[in-house]
Amino acid sequence: EAEVAQSPRYKITEKSQAVAFWCDPISGHATLYWYRQILGQGPELLVQFQDESVVDDSQLPKDRFSAERLKGVDSTLKIQPAELGDSAMYLCASSRPGTTATYEQYFGPGTRLTVT
Amino acid sequence: AQRVTQPEKLLSVFKGAPVELKCNYSYSGSPELFWYVQYSRQRLQLLLRHISRESIKGFTADLNKGETSFHLKKPFAQEEDSAMYYCALSNCHSNSGYALNFGKGTSLLVTP
Repeated sequence: EAEVAQSPRYKITEKSQAVAFWCDPISGHATLYWYRQILGQGPELLVQFQDESVVDDSQLPKDRFSAERLKGVDSTLKIQPAELGDSAMYLCASSRPGTTATYEQYFGPGTRLTVT
Repeated sequence: AQRVTQPEKLLSVFKGAPVELKCNYSYSGSPELFWYVQYSRQRLQLLLRHISRESIKGFTADLNKGETSFHLKKPFAQEEDSAMYYCALSNCHSNSGYALNFGKGTSLLVTP
């Protein structure tokens, strides 16, 4: 069964360093999401792509975060410079077009970031 | 602004007992509501959608617009139901998908 892939699974970085996360969605899924999940909270949307275009990045801290999906397939989320408050689980999800009756987001295993 | 509230951080029940995980939402339009579940060491996955009115693994959830609630219920809890449960709301109706607004989650522990 196809799954969303993410790497790395764990990342430890020092404050002010740059860090990047990679996501490969399920083949054929045009929509890709990046969420951030702080410990004890639910996931919060950072950015949503439809193919290679950004649909919603209103919650992305653009002074330090960037996201791209150049060929409309895999995606990279970057943080530069990292801050202590960025320590969290970063989740990638993908979905295919459909109605709400069939809609489902498929999540990857996440990347756990620790900023020291 | 849309908001999802799950008032219980932890819910502990005995095996065979009924379980209800509460979810309240605030949204002025017509919401689309979902329950997602994360079992230990597994990925977050869809449990059920309100629009499908389905029963998955014995769980059901009814949308109550008057009370703005979407509580998740199961008449007889099983140990394998122990997991983290997230209520989620979407307001985006388009072919480009439905971004989800999640609650903080409720950890369900079913003890023998």
